Amino acid sequence: DVKVTQSSRYLVKRTGEKVFLECVQDMDHENMFWYRQDPGLGLRLIYFSYDVKMKEKGDIPEGYSVSREKKERFSLILESASTNQTSMYLCASTLGGGWGPSYEQYFGPGTRLTVT
Amino acid sequence: GENVEQHPSTLSVQEGDSAVIKCTYSDSASNYFPWYKQELGKRPQLIIDIRSNVGEKKDQRIAVTLNKTAKHFSLHITETQPEDSAVYFCAAKGLTGGGNKLTFGTGTQLKVEL
Repeated sequence: DVKVTQSSRYLVKRTGEKVFLECVQDMDHENMFWYRQDPGLGLRLIYFSYDVKMKEKGDIPEGYSVSREKKERFSLILESASTNQTSMYLCASTLGGGWGPSYEQYFGPGTRLTVT
Repeated sequence: GENVEQHPSTLSVQEGDSAVIKCTYSDSASNYFPWYKQELGKRPQLIIDIRSNVGEKKDQRIAVTLNKTAKHFSLHITETQPEDSAVYFCAAKGLTGGGNKLTFGTGTQLKVEL
């Protein structure tokens, strides 16, 4: 059973704070993703990584950075949190390569971040 | 990049009726189209997917159809049940960008009423 875990379910931070969200997967997946989910906007890709130390910008990378030092761990960093970054953050991973099952994205439980 | 539009944003049906959710995509090179279901308070989970070389795929009460020429695909749920109530997301995978990147639609809130 694939397991994707996130460091916190709920987080409250103040404007200007540096925020770290961590994601860990235990299935040796190549690819990891960070999304934010907002009502009416669906799942929007912030950053993704297809290998250790490799990262690519998604559709809304502004205000975020990421780190992938180990294959199983992918961190999302908000350098200086702002109120418009209040959202649900979802991490996901995929096996990578080939077809079909290797494309399935396994999601973490999400982190509800509130920036006040 | 890829752009995926999803309609309707909300859908209410009576138990036992059918439900249809439609998506269009912009990148004609996209080759993989999954559907995810997210129940309230839970994580999205894959329920069905289709590849670009297939026109239709069925799994019990759910089916997905793909029209490559028109660049749209649809989710069909028959004999709806209360446990089908959830948010459904369509997605498309293009050939650009590594790492199996998906572009998601904005979601459809399906409510199955008794």
